Amino acid sequence: SAVISQKPSRDICQRGTSLTIQCQVDSQVTMMFWYRQQPGQSLTLIATANQGSEATYESGFVIDKFPISRPNLTFSTLTVSNMSPEDSSIYLCSVGDRGNTIYFGEGSWLTVV
Amino acid sequence: AQSVTQLGSHVSVSEGALVLLRCNYSSSVPPYLFWYVQYPNQGLQLLLKYTTGATLVKGINGFEAEFKKSETSFHLTKPSAHMSDAAEYFCAVSDYGFGNEKLTFGTGTRLTIIP
Repeated sequence: SAVISQKPSRDICQRGTSLTIQCQVDSQVTMMFWYRQQPGQSLTLIATANQGSEATYESGFVIDKFPISRPNLTFSTLTVSNMSPEDSSIYLCSVGDRGNTIYFGEGSWLTVV
Repeated sequence: AQSVTQLGSHVSVSEGALVLLRCNYSSSVPPYLFWYVQYPNQGLQLLLKYTTGATLVKGINGFEAEFKKSETSFHLTKPSAHMSDAAEYFCAVSDYGFGNEKLTFGTGTRLTIIP
């Protein structure tokens, strides 16, 4: 199994600011995924981040709002830009391992005020 | 495109009673199916998964699920509910028929245990 660490675990952010979330995995993985879970809702995929290539964004999500970096096989960042209260969510990093399983980090709980 | 339907956004059972959480899926490829649990103020934890082979899958904490292709279902059960089972449960299907790809999630079922 993969162990995933996310930072920050929680944060309260001011409207109009940006926040970068870090995701560190204890093993090398090809694909990393970023999900959003709005309050009381299910998970929605933001983008897929493969090392060495541009992230692939899902419908409704754009790079200007959610820029992603993937500098190596164990690390990725997601930035939430120009935040508004509607961005208050849990942001989760996940990875797929060779055992055909997806694992999730503990999430980053953001509140925008 | 894949999709997941979880019937019942809220389920309440008495402690010691059977837990049954329903999940139906739609997939254009042989599916990989997952159940995740989210305890209050925590991230997602994998309960169990179906890939290929045996259709009855056993997971952690006494949960199991049965893959029924004819019914396109993957319902989660536990014979005897415990107070610690109170959580949100999500069913998910792999988008491309592999287990390490992106997932499509159901809307979740909140399980409440009545003492």
